[in-house]
Amino acid sequence: GQSLEQPSEVTAVEGAIVQINCTYQTSGFYGLSWYQQHDGGAPTFLSYNALDGLEETGRFSSFLSRSDSYGYLLLQELQMKDSASYFCAAYNNDMRFGAGTRLTVKP
Amino acid sequence: KAGVTQTPRYLIKTRGQQVTLSCSPISGHRSVSWYQQTPGQGLQFLFEYFSETQRNKGNFPGRFSGRQFSNSRSEMNVSTLELGDSALYLCASSPSRGGGHSPLHFGNGTRLTVT
Repeated sequence: GQSLEQPSEVTAVEGAIVQINCTYQTSGFYGLSWYQQHDGGAPTFLSYNALDGLEETGRFSSFLSRSDSYGYLLLQELQMKDSASYFCAAYNNDMRFGAGTRLTVKP
Repeated sequence: KAGVTQTPRYLIKTRGQQVTLSCSPISGHRSVSWYQQTPGQGLQFLFEYFSETQRNKGNFPGRFSGRQFSNSRSEMNVSTLELGDSALYLCASSPSRGGGHSPLHFGNGTRLTVT
């Protein structure tokens, strides 16, 4: 089976850096993905780690360590528009999602 | 390119009724997945269709079913509705199966309320 755990809420101030962790218990999964969902909107793809290490896409970076069954999403230079829910997801015949982390960015 | 289109956007039904939700994937995408989203529960996988065949099914009762047509459009059906079925139902498409390297593109969902 697959289980992904992430914190339910994170709060940070504008301009800061925040890290959203994701630990998983799954077998035979193919990489770790991250999705962003604004209130009332559709989830949108942010990043994917197929291999261990850091992937950088602009202000967002994602990290995966298979040996630790752990990954994280790093958001730098936080902006108000980054306030949203963030989901980690793992694939093993289908994509399974964590319960989501609600990020609130304060001025 | 048009995104994933889900209809209707909102639906109110009564317990015991049935409902059909529709999803039109991005043109060229052959994989369609359905998810149920409720507050605090994240996205719960319902099923995935690829080339008109159900490839996988999540842990939902048999009241939840779906199908995919030859043009990749998909429908999901929920029979004998229960109050607990109230949720946002999201459809996602991708060009192929195979995981994170083929990202999911989500529609805006259908908000189902069961009274």
